[in-house]
Amino acid sequence: NAGVTQTPKFRILKIGQSMTLQCTQDMNHNYMYWYRQDPGMGLKLIYYSVGAGITDKGEVPNGYNVSRSTTEDFPLRLELAAPSQTSVYFCASRRESSSEKLFFGSGTQLSVL
Amino acid sequence: GQQVMQIPQYQHVQEGEDFTTYCNSSTTLSNIQWYKQRPGGHPVFLIQLVKSGEVKKQKRLTFQFGEAKKNSSLHITATQTTDVGTYFCAGSRAAGNKLTFGGGTRVLVKP
Repeated sequence: NAGVTQTPKFRILKIGQSMTLQCTQDMNHNYMYWYRQDPGMGLKLIYYSVGAGITDKGEVPNGYNVSRSTTEDFPLRLELAAPSQTSVYFCASRRESSSEKLFFGSGTQLSVL
Repeated sequence: GQQVMQIPQYQHVQEGEDFTTYCNSSTTLSNIQWYKQRPGGHPVFLIQLVKSGEVKKQKRLTFQFGEAKKNSSLHITATQTTDVGTYFCAGSRAAGNKLTFGGGTRVLVKP
């Protein structure tokens, strides 16, 4: 099993550019999450989804958008990149809510210059 | 909103010594999970605690959930260099879809 796959692994953006961080999972998990981790800090929830067609905001959604057209894919879109969005982005999934563990992807390191 | 705090933020440990890291939530939790992130890696699930006062062990790691289900601790005995990394606790409210992470405890081991 590949688990949770994120692409790209690294990316450098200029201020104002846009990009999509890809996340796909092959475990048929309903719940998917996007977290960001600033240097030396914890994980903050950006957006999450409890199933195809359903998304909801987390703690820090401003500047991001998501969609969930299939169970497998949960892309994260940055429309106008800002230096404050320099971070490591982790996608995660789990089968159900609350009582299930999260499986994380290997992360995307994004720098906005 | 729900807040989860961890102390200490950093822990420098001599190899072979014991240490404890603590996790405190501003709200009552339905369960708490612990994850470990190696330097440059992604968080990996360690364990979940569900019951009030629950204690679970994994080799040299002992996890405890408080009686009020608002705090938790991780105790590591005889620390080894393989224990290096950041340990996160993460809590969920009853019937919650979201998992709120603490800031983590970064563990450095001195050989």
